[in-house]
Amino acid sequence: KAGVTQTPRYLIKTRGQQVTLSCSPISGHRSVSWYQQTPGQGLQFLFEYFSETQRNKGNFPGRFSGRQFSNSRSEMNVSTLELGDSALYLCASSLSSGAQYFGPGTRLLVL
Amino acid sequence: AQRVTQPEKLLSVFKGAPVELKCNYSYSGSPELFWYVQYSRQRLQLLLRHISRESIKGFTADLNKGETSFHLKKPFAQEEDSAMYYCALSGNYGGSQGNLIFGKGTKLSVKP
Repeated sequence: KAGVTQTPRYLIKTRGQQVTLSCSPISGHRSVSWYQQTPGQGLQFLFEYFSETQRNKGNFPGRFSGRQFSNSRSEMNVSTLELGDSALYLCASSLSSGAQYFGPGTRLLVL
Repeated sequence: AQRVTQPEKLLSVFKGAPVELKCNYSYSGSPELFWYVQYSRQRLQLLLRHISRESIKGFTADLNKGETSFHLKKPFAQEEDSAMYYCALSGNYGGSQGNLIFGKGTKLSVKP
């Protein structure tokens, strides 16, 4: 089976802009979770989607949002970008819960 | 509060030496614990999970509920084990376990 894929792999944006990141889960996986990874805070959970519904949400501002489509593909959106949003954004998929399988990440740089 | 603590940022050992990467957790319930590994320039990979009780690449980890620990061990380290290791806990939030709580990670360096 193909692994989790994420696009784009790299992005450069400026403050105030918005960005959309995409994630395609492993075939058959219905749960998609998103994480932010930074040197200072490590890996932090953003939100999880299952069957097109947000099932779980981390402690991030409302500027961070996501959605999941009927084919389980997911997108996350960050509006009004801030310098502190520069990070590696990871997507992970799982069958329903438990072990998660990660994509390569999208590295976002906000200037 | 749910929390995972990896007390060592960096662990350096010689090839052939035993290695133990420490992980302690705080969780009010029955946790599911994982170890993930990230080799240089590669994605985060699942190494093992406590419910499987497997040995992967010679690594084992036992869940000790009394000490709230899930230490990762290998009797003889290899140079190819050099990587970043993350301990993670699957939190039961709102009835789902779709979020992982990660420790800050331990960088393992195995010297020849």
